[in-house]
Amino acid sequence: GNSVTQMEGPVTLSEEAFLTINCTYTATGYPSLFWYVQYPGEGLQLLLKATKADDKGSNKGFEATYRKETTSFHLEKGSVQVSDSAVYFCALSEIRDDKIIFGKGTRLHILP
Amino acid sequence: KAGVTQTPRYLIKTRGQQVTLSCSPISGHRSVSWYQQTPGQGLQFLFEYFSETQRNKGNFPGRFSGRQFSNSRSEMNVSTLELGDSALYLCASSLDWPNEQFFGPGTRLTVL
Repeated sequence: GNSVTQMEGPVTLSEEAFLTINCTYTATGYPSLFWYVQYPGEGLQLLLKATKADDKGSNKGFEATYRKETTSFHLEKGSVQVSDSAVYFCALSEIRDDKIIFGKGTRLHILP
Repeated sequence: KAGVTQTPRYLIKTRGQQVTLSCSPISGHRSVSWYQQTPGQGLQFLFEYFSETQRNKGNFPGRFSGRQFSNSRSEMNVSTLELGDSALYLCASSLDWPNEQFFGPGTRLTVL
């Protein structure tokens, strides 16, 4: 079945550092890929998405590129801020599978 | 536009009791889905409703049930509570599954 694997956290970085959170997936078809973010005490918010191979999703300085050849959707940001501290979830969905599957989440701590 | 609202935000129950959680989706959204979030298992899909019909279901026992009303509001019920049911229960709405999900802040259930 479909699955999502993302790097375990917590990830701790200093402000202005470069961020990469790895995400790989297994899917039988052609899924859409998502990154969601959960700030403390809140529900999940969609951060960015990509619906087909080579698409790049971007939002708030974050980017991720849908790589079909490596089945990956790594999240990157060039210069993180303390306010980026949150839990990040990679997810996929396939129309025919009628499910959204989330990775286990990666907690990110940014130190001032 | 008002976001997804969930009530109550916090609940404390004892083993064997039952509980009902409520979710009001964004106006115009007809799909409502429920998730259980725990530190150990991460985010797990419970079920999804569309136009008062359950369309998708995750791998949870029959003690977990839900329904959706004609105004798209949804309720989730857990009967015969167990300690392991302690979790954050998230509701999400969308125009249609499995497009972008908009999450509520969650209901934190503690079972003693």
